Amino acid sequence: GDSVTQMEGPVTLSEEAFLTINCTYTATGYPSLFWYVQYPGEGLQLLLKATKADDKGSNKGFEATYRKETTSFHLEKGSVQVSDSAVYFCAHLSGNTPLVFGKGTRLSVIA
Amino acid sequence: GAVVSQHPSWVICKSGTSVKIECRSLDFQATTMFWYRQFPKQSLMLMATSNEGSKATYEQGVEKDKFLINHASLTLSTLTVTSAHPEDSSFYICSARGGGYGYTFGSGTRLTVV
Repeated sequence: GDSVTQMEGPVTLSEEAFLTINCTYTATGYPSLFWYVQYPGEGLQLLLKATKADDKGSNKGFEATYRKETTSFHLEKGSVQVSDSAVYFCAHLSGNTPLVFGKGTRLSVIA
Repeated sequence: GAVVSQHPSWVICKSGTSVKIECRSLDFQATTMFWYRQFPKQSLMLMATSNEGSKATYEQGVEKDKFLINHASLTLSTLTVTSAHPEDSSFYICSARGGGYGYTFGSGTRLTVV
């Protein structure tokens, strides 16, 4: 069935380091892809999304490109900040089915 | 943009009592509401899907008599945890779909049963 696999954390980085969080998916058809962020004690917020192959979603310095050939949607940021510490969820959506989430990757950025 | 107001944000209750969590879509109509449960340091587990005016569809393993979901209007859905026990302690999050906004999440409710 449909699924999302993302790298397990926790990921600990120093401020201004480069971030990559890998995400791959399996789905029938052509899903839309999302990254959500969850700050401590809060719900989920949409970080960015891409709806078709080769689309690049971007927001707050984060980017992810929809790669159909590798079924991937890796999240990247060139220079992380302490305020980026959170849990990041990759997700995909096909048709009218509910969002399918990955297990989440906890990112801790230290000053 | 779309906003879903979820409350309470946290609640502590005694074993055996019931707790109601509300999610309201502000400025848009939520034709479908999803309820998730999140265990510490884990992903979101979909509990049920409800369409306005219809009975909720529960995921396998979720007790429908324990987690009562009502979606009587296009702007309000409620989750009632009945006869709560400590193992029901968790973070519950709703997500509304509708109004062309895709999925909008509430801010979550942390339930602690003592």
